[in-house]
Amino acid sequence: AQSVTQLGSHVSVSEGALVLLRCNYSSSVPPYLFWYVQYPNQGLQLLLKYTSAATLVKGINGFEAEFKKSETSFHLTKPSAHMSDAAEYFCAVIFIIQGAQKLVFGQGTRLTINP
Amino acid sequence: NAGVTQTPKFQVLKTGQSMTLQCAQDMNHEYMSWYRQDPGMGLRLIHYSVGAGITDQGEVPNGYNVSRSTTEDFPLRLLSAAPSQTSVYFCASSYSYRGPYNEQFFGPGTRLTVL
Repeated sequence: AQSVTQLGSHVSVSEGALVLLRCNYSSSVPPYLFWYVQYPNQGLQLLLKYTSAATLVKGINGFEAEFKKSETSFHLTKPSAHMSDAAEYFCAVIFIIQGAQKLVFGQGTRLTINP
Repeated sequence: NAGVTQTPKFQVLKTGQSMTLQCAQDMNHEYMSWYRQDPGMGLRLIHYSVGAGITDQGEVPNGYNVSRSTTEDFPLRLLSAAPSQTSVYFCASSYSYRGPYNEQFFGPGTRLTVL
């Protein structure tokens, strides 16, 4: 079955440190991958989207993600964490299921930034 | 554009009551969907629609009904509320479900408690 796994439900980093949020997906190469961010008591906002044009995708707020086919991964990174990055992050993948596109979410990773 | 709007923001129901969660989008999007968000489980698809008059079930459809009489509106009905339906509900829409313009835009959510 198609699935999306985010390693680590909670990640804590210091302000200014590297942020690395991990995402792996199952099955063969899916056509589209996304990262969404959810700030407290808000809906989800698109951070970035992979569409096969380039393996390194740049998003908003200094985030980027790299698609690695051999590792079936789409990890999210940011070189220097800011306090405003504290939020929950969701990896999502569109799979083709019975001819239709279906968006499947990972469980989410809550990012905490320590001053 | 208002984007995706949801009402109400908060709702408390008693077991057995019914209610409708409203969702509307003003972007002329083809695809609309409803998700529920529960701690540690990410977002799970309840129902979706690929156009007016067309709906289908997602991952967790039991206890919910939907209809789509217009492009703009996609209400979610709880037929007989149960405590297991306590959750945060998000409505989302995208321009297309078949092509590259498939990133979903999310509403602010409805926090539902069933006593």
